[in-house]
Amino acid sequence: DTAVSQTPKYLVTQMGNDKSIKCEQNLGHDTMYWYKQDSKKFLKIMFSYNNKELIINETVPNRFSPKSPDKAHLNLHINSLELGDSAVYFCASSLLAGGPTYEQYFGPGTRLTVT
Amino acid sequence: KNEVEQSPQNLTAQEGEFITINCSYSVGISALHWLQQHPGGGIVSLFMLSSGKKKHGRLIATINIQEKHSSLHITASHPRDSAVYICAVGPPWGSSNTGKLIFGQGTTLQVKP
Repeated sequence: DTAVSQTPKYLVTQMGNDKSIKCEQNLGHDTMYWYKQDSKKFLKIMFSYNNKELIINETVPNRFSPKSPDKAHLNLHINSLELGDSAVYFCASSLLAGGPTYEQYFGPGTRLTVT
Repeated sequence: KNEVEQSPQNLTAQEGEFITINCSYSVGISALHWLQQHPGGGIVSLFMLSSGKKKHGRLIATINIQEKHSSLHITASHPRDSAVYICAVGPPWGSSNTGKLIFGQGTTLQVKP
């Protein structure tokens, strides 16, 4: 069984469209994250939810809106896509939001290409 | 300057060589993570450590909290070790940014047969 899964794996879309990426974890973790990896492979946190509550919200355009229907799911909706949104988006989860046991488990990534 | 710096950025080695990747950080931390990203793109957590040394197979990770420095060693390197290795630090327990990892820029390792 896949621990952290994301769909879709690849997403090609045109500027101005709205798209969503879904993430699910079956590890029983309380905390989930969205990361963006740019073309230079640099990872940066975007959002984090702890048991459906938003706890980290980095400086991200408000075109990006995370939604957590339950603690096993964290979806990312992006409105009015721009060329600069092209990147790989990773979902991750951890047992707790902090402390000594927050090893993070990553999903396979979603490669978003905006044309 | 990034809060987490890795060196080298790129590394090419011959199969069998001993490899060291370094990570220095400038912030207080509760733990340091080493991650591996294979060419296929997936990210796997290799180690999480807050003191001392951990070993898993041919991989060894060490951390010196006083010097704010960690190293990842690979013994008897193999072409399948070719990947991007990423260092990340987690903020002190109880801080407002609990859980937020700060990443280094990654080290791209290529091991040639």
